[in-house]
Amino acid sequence: DAKTTQPPSMDCAEGRAANLPCNHSTISGNEYVYWYRQIHSQGPQYIIHGLKNNETNEMASLIITEDRKSSTLILPHATLRDTAVYYCIVRANHITQGGSEKLVFGKGTKLTVNP
Amino acid sequence: EAQVTQNPRYLITVTGKKLTVTCSQNMNHEYMSWYRQDPGLGLRQIYYSMNVEVTDKGDVPEGYKVSRKEKRNFPLILESPSPNQTSLYFCASSPMNRDRNTEAFFGQGTRLTVV
Repeated sequence: DAKTTQPPSMDCAEGRAANLPCNHSTISGNEYVYWYRQIHSQGPQYIIHGLKNNETNEMASLIITEDRKSSTLILPHATLRDTAVYYCIVRANHITQGGSEKLVFGKGTKLTVNP
Repeated sequence: EAQVTQNPRYLITVTGKKLTVTCSQNMNHEYMSWYRQDPGLGLRQIYYSMNVEVTDKGDVPEGYKVSRKEKRNFPLILESPSPNQTSLYFCASSPMNRDRNTEAFFGQGTRLTVV
């Protein structure tokens, strides 16, 4: 799986948009970009994923650059409960990966939402 | 409610005393796995299972055993725990979907201390 690079920490004011960047310059054509978050030692929580098109769900939006070498997770109106470590993960389809389904978590970005 | 349930949530035990951490999911997922999380090392996969009676080693399997006798359950067994197995453990499950990538669901974690 391609390696990802994220800033170690970010701050955001409550109610403002939080934009979390991720670099994945070695991503290959069959690899998806996933985002998970972990709130204070709870189990990681899936947020969103995408291949090349921008994606939006009830939690967030995912913007992937045209060359797919980077992406941005957007939390449109951050709340105090969004304070967490956010992980950007690049992973191929499990069939091509041989079925391990393993998620490789890096160090992530510690997002702190301030009142 | 779709969920992955781990028990116990907290456990303090002594070196060499066999223990089992249970994991159960109610989503009929084929794929289940165990991770451990340690400061500075992130989440690392211990074992995984692609279906009933099919298990395989992850990145850090030493000192652990697993079994998958039923689809919903995937217990983690420490035959002779040692202090270096003190960690936060997470169980995860996901469907094996040939057509699209899907999210993984994580349990709330088991904090194990071996003294």
